[in-house]
Amino acid sequence: GEDVEQSLFLSVREGDSSVINCTYTDSSSTYLYWYKQEPGAGLQLLTYIFSNMDMKQDQRLTVLLNKKDKHLSLRIADTQTGDSAIYFCAETPHSSGSARQLTFGSGTQLTVLP
Amino acid sequence: DTAVSQTPKYLVTQMGNDKSIKCEQNLGHDTMYWYKQDSKKFLKIMFSYNNKELIINETVPNRFSPKSPDKAHLNLHINSLELGDSAVYFCATSTSGGEETQYFGPGTRLLVL
Repeated sequence: GEDVEQSLFLSVREGDSSVINCTYTDSSSTYLYWYKQEPGAGLQLLTYIFSNMDMKQDQRLTVLLNKKDKHLSLRIADTQTGDSAIYFCAETPHSSGSARQLTFGSGTQLTVLP
Repeated sequence: DTAVSQTPKYLVTQMGNDKSIKCEQNLGHDTMYWYKQDSKKFLKIMFSYNNKELIINETVPNRFSPKSPDKAHLNLHINSLELGDSAVYFCATSTSGGEETQYFGPGTRLLVL
């Protein structure tokens, strides 16, 4: 079955860049997502990338996709204390069905130090 | 207006009880989902449902059953609750076709004593 892996923890200083990495095994993945979960809250979609793209930039967020290595990364520029949260990588495989089920990584706890 | 809402936000109950968690969406999406997040924050799909098909994750015990009274609601009914059912349950919705971005509710924190 599909497997998505992330490192569990990342600490950075305020103002530095954060890079959160994710690897996946399903070569049929069509969309890959980054979600953010703040303490006690639900999941907030940050960004997504289609599998035929290499890069996507959205303000402070840059997503890089290496399809050959099945590696996805999320870079947060000028990291702020409000960015402290758990970041989940997720993928959805190609499906002819009407519903695509997300497979999530374990989440990376990002801690931003003042 | 909240796009995807869940009730209750917190639920504390005894082992063996039967309980329901409700999900409502006002996005007009045709597909809804239930996910379980365990104490280690690991998220796993339980069900996906639209008016044409129900897809059940094979690891979900049959004590769990989704019920959809209409397109805007997908409730989760749990029979004979067990300690291991303690988790946060998230509802999500999406459209069909395209990137099918899923929008999540705030979660229901279930504690079984």
